[in-house]
Amino acid sequence: DAGVIQSPRHEVTEMGQEVTLRCKPISGHDYLFWYRQTMMRGLELLIYFNNNVPIDDSGMPEDRFSAKMPNASFSTLKIQPSEPRDSAVYFCASTAGGGPAYNEQFFGPGTRLTVL
Amino acid sequence: QKEVEQNSGPLSVPEGAIASLNCTYSDRGSQSFFWYRQYSGKSPELIMFIYSNGDKEDGRFTAQLNKASQYVSLLIRDSQPSDSATYLCAVKDTGRRALTFGSGTRLQVQP
Repeated sequence: DAGVIQSPRHEVTEMGQEVTLRCKPISGHDYLFWYRQTMMRGLELLIYFNNNVPIDDSGMPEDRFSAKMPNASFSTLKIQPSEPRDSAVYFCASTAGGGPAYNEQFFGPGTRLTVL
Repeated sequence: QKEVEQNSGPLSVPEGAIASLNCTYSDRGSQSFFWYRQYSGKSPELIMFIYSNGDKEDGRFTAQLNKASQYVSLLIRDSQPSDSATYLCAVKDTGRRALTFGSGTRLQVQP
């Protein structure tokens, strides 16, 4: 398996522009997570999906952020409009459902976002 | 708000020594605990998980859990320079699949 795939790997944009990050989870995984990592705040959960349905979006910082999962193999995280404080590494992770033994989350390589 | 606390380090140990990494958590109902390793510029990768009080060993790594004290630790025996990384402690939130991560401890193993 190719693992969790994210694109783009790097994104540089100007303040006010729309940014779309993409994620393809591991095939067969029914949970998908979006995280943001910064030096100041560490690794923070933004939102997670189960079977394509958003379960908890309490970590989404504000209305400028939105996430979708139209099918089991694709998810997007959109920021509109982007601001310099959104600069971070955004990780997507996936895991298979089941008991506690299946809670290992596999992370994608991340998207490094820089908003100028 | 659920919290997971780690000393940011850096923790510096000589090659061959034992590195001890510690983590405390606030949610007394937490049941599952994870240690992830993250090399600079890379994504986190799982090293170990633990559910029961006591020790769990996997090669050079030992995870220790004390639920009464809300404390998790990771011991790395015979530390190698390749172990130099940031180690993230994560706690599975009660009643949901999400993990809360600590800010990580940076480990430096000196050759």
